[in-house]
Amino acid sequence: EVQLVESGGGVVQPGGSLRLSCAASGFSFEDYMMHWVRQRPGKGLEWVSLISWDGGTTHYVDSVKGRFTISRDNSKYSLHLEMNSLRTEDTALYYCGKGHTSGSVGSWGQGTPVTVSS
Amino acid sequence: DIQMTQSPSSLSASVGDRVTITCRASQSISYFLNWYQQKPGKAPRLLIYAASTLQSGVPSRFSGSESGTNFTLTIRNLQPEDFATYYCQQSYTAPRTFGPGTKVDI
Repeated sequence: EVQLVESGGGVVQPGGSLRLSCAASGFSFEDYMMHWVRQRPGKGLEWVSLISWDGGTTHYVDSVKGRFTISRDNSKYSLHLEMNSLRTEDTALYYCGKGHTSGSVGSWGQGTPVTVSS
Repeated sequence: DIQMTQSPSSLSASVGDRVTITCRASQSISYFLNWYQQKPGKAPRLLIYAASTLQSGVPSRFSGSESGTNFTLTIRNLQPEDFATYYCQQSYTAPRTFGPGTKVDI
């Protein structure tokens, strides 16, 4: 059974940093693209970033480019999102997702909350 | 960036109804369109990928279709557990944008 467990969320001041992690199990992590998707309180889903199976390709939504960095450690079955220069608008529940056929997100974690507030 | 729109933004329906949700892409995305269901306080769930392929374990009352840049999610014989918010997402290119969602309630 696929399991994705996010951690690392919390409360941080504007301009601060956080590092989110996602622990994967139940599948061959090294074979799959992985995603981060966020959801602001009471709002819809926003795709944030993806990383290819080998870490060689990454993409970001424009609003986080230059501030967030996605990475993975295939030996540890872990995905990360380094978030710097955080803004109040980055407040959201951050989901880790496993890539599926045709670029979809086939499995999701339960999310880790990030609150950016002074 | 590719913009995704959905209509309606919300709808009211009854058990047993047939429901149709439309998603439109701002440019061609071929068949790279996915549908997700999200219930309050829960993570999203993949329903359909590649416009019309049902994800494993998803009931056959869900179906998807495409016509150019217009995509449709249809739920036949709506069940109580189907009341949720539905999102489309394009996976043709990054950023992999989601639609704003359609809330289906009673």
